[in-house]
Amino acid sequence: GAVVSQHPSRVICKSGTSVKIECRSLDFQATTMFWYRQFPKQSLMLMATSNEGSKATYEQGVEKDKFLINHASLTLSTLTVTSAHPEDSSFYICSARDAGTYEQYFGPGTRLTVT
Amino acid sequence: AQTVTQSQPEMSVQEAETVTLSCTYDTSENNYYLFWYKQPPSRQMILVIRQEAYKQQNATENRFSVNFQKAAKSFSLKISDSQLGDTAMYFCAFMKPLSRNTPLVFGKGTRLSVIA
Repeated sequence: GAVVSQHPSRVICKSGTSVKIECRSLDFQATTMFWYRQFPKQSLMLMATSNEGSKATYEQGVEKDKFLINHASLTLSTLTVTSAHPEDSSFYICSARDAGTYEQYFGPGTRLTVT
Repeated sequence: AQTVTQSQPEMSVQEAETVTLSCTYDTSENNYYLFWYKQPPSRQMILVIRQEAYKQQNATENRFSVNFQKAAKSFSLKISDSQLGDTAMYFCAFMKPLSRNTPLVFGKGTRLSVIA
């Protein structure tokens, strides 16, 4: 089946620094990728939708200057958390939609801890 | 806006027994898709089953089946012969007619524990 990878799986960074999370579709092309945030024991909250080659669309309440999303190719999207603070600590999940079938596949997630 | 409601925050079931997780949704769309996802402790989201609203026949995948009641906007998941590996969070999700930017709308989830 289709595979979506995320890197890193875990990251710890100091407050005020930036961290980049990569999301790759390994065996299919994804015109659209979705970024979610999940707090402990809660559901997935959609942060933004990104299309290859265009600006991401952010959900209401998500700071676009803090969460920078780049979708430069059909297989790679990145989420950069800028000037991270402890409240940005969370589990971030990406999901990629197959350009041909429109099926949606999820990455394994990235646990971000800001100290 | 579409909403998805899962009214059972937690459930438990004995191994080999059957359990049903409930999900209701609200939409004005006529065509749409419904999904059940499983999130085990690894936190990897796994698609369990999907249902197209235009199909009257309930979807089935091995031990997993749904009861789709379009008029009632209900979409429950039945797990038969429960196994320890079924222990996970289960999320019901809704999606409007398919386009490349259509996101999934998730319910709050039901935590299922299968007890030996």
